[in-house]
Amino acid sequence: GAVVSQHPSRVICKSGTSVKIECRSLDFQATTMFWYRQFPKKSLMLMATSNEGSKATYEQGVEKDKFLINHASLTLSTLTVTSAHPEDSSFYICSARRDDGRPRDTQYFGPGTRLTVL
Amino acid sequence: GNSVTQMEGPVTLSEEAFLTINCTYTATGYPSLFWYVQYPGEGLQLLLKATKADDKGSNKGFEATYRKETTSFHLEKGSVQVSDSAVYFCAPSSISGYSTLTFGKGTMLLVSP
Repeated sequence: GAVVSQHPSRVICKSGTSVKIECRSLDFQATTMFWYRQFPKKSLMLMATSNEGSKATYEQGVEKDKFLINHASLTLSTLTVTSAHPEDSSFYICSARRDDGRPRDTQYFGPGTRLTVL
Repeated sequence: GNSVTQMEGPVTLSEEAFLTINCTYTATGYPSLFWYVQYPGEGLQLLLKATKADDKGSNKGFEATYRKETTSFHLEKGSVQVSDSAVYFCAPSSISGYSTLTFGKGTMLLVSP
């Protein structure tokens, strides 16, 4: 159990276009999901916390208008990179926390989405 | 906020060698502590966790003990296998708000036959 999927796994887009990445919890409900960006030196940076039915909480330095997050249901959160530029190219990873999980702070991660902006 | 310091990698070992990956953290209060592993081409997987001082998390032969006095959570394995080659991340959770995780930079482990 506790499987999280992401779609697409890879996406290439032109500069100036928008890209949507989906994160789904397949076998559990998740009121809270998280979006990370993984940099070439392997560190993960938390971008935002996504909450079903309310606005996302963004970390300091992350542009809300550029990285739009929508948590439409208890199993789906989406990240839209708007007006993408080459510097947005990265590996984006989502995670989800089970509503019935013990301990509550265990997160289950998706496989990631490789975004390349040309 | 929390912060994590992990030993620089890559760590290169021969099969059946003993593994230690150091992790120290700074945090407010007493967070839960996690080790996640990322195998090549895959997403992060929870390896083990500990929720309070002196707890020992264990899984797949790996162990880590929550040391409050030294604010450490070092990962150990007595005999590594080639299949253990991966990147390992130490992460404390915040004790307030959304219990967010703060990740270290990760330590790559390479095990040769």
